[in-house]
Amino acid sequence: GQNIDQPTEMTATEGAIVQINCTYQTSGFNGLFWYQQHAGEAPTFLSYNVLDGLEEKGRFSSFLSRSKGYSYLLLKELQMKDSASYLCAVRVLTGGGNKLTFGTGTQLKVEL
Amino acid sequence: DTGVSQNPRHKITKRGQNVTFRCDPISEHNRLYWYRQTLGQGPEFLTYFQNEAQLEKSRLLSDRFSAERPKGSFSTLEIQRTEQGDSAMYLCASSFLPSGGEADTQYFGPGTRLTVL
Repeated sequence: GQNIDQPTEMTATEGAIVQINCTYQTSGFNGLFWYQQHAGEAPTFLSYNVLDGLEEKGRFSSFLSRSKGYSYLLLKELQMKDSASYLCAVRVLTGGGNKLTFGTGTQLKVEL
Repeated sequence: DTGVSQNPRHKITKRGQNVTFRCDPISEHNRLYWYRQTLGQGPEFLTYFQNEAQLEKSRLLSDRFSAERPKGSFSTLEIQRTEQGDSAMYLCASSFLPSGGEADTQYFGPGTRLTVL
């Protein structure tokens, strides 16, 4: 089976940097995704890692260590609109396809 | 708008009734996924299609649930004899997987929120 852990809640200050961690235990690992989800809305794709290392996309960066089963999402220059749930999801090869197994999400609150 | 669309956005029904949701994927995406999300949880995989073929179903998908993608474009998810425990957000996602490829990125629709009274 798959097990994905991420903190339930985090609070940070506007303009600051925040790191959201995700640890996973899974078989058939085929990549790790981060999605942003505002309340009542669909998850929006942020980033994807399949190899170890850091992927940078503007204010967002994501890191993966496959040997440690660990990833983090780094958000820089935080803005109020970044207040949302951040979902870590592991892609697993299964039956010739891919499916995503999600963590429960980290609710980030950005304060003034 | 060329994103994934879902209809209806909200559905309120009484226990025991049947409901059907529709998902229109991004044009030319060959893969379509259904997930269910309850409050405070991440989405849970239900089933997926490669073109019109349903390739995998989760154990979460009881025999009251059925999904189709008859022409390899839009998909429907039907729940028969709804129960209060079926109340959730039903999310659809689509992706494009090239022939021989293994990697795809899933893009989600806005979801259908189901409330069973």
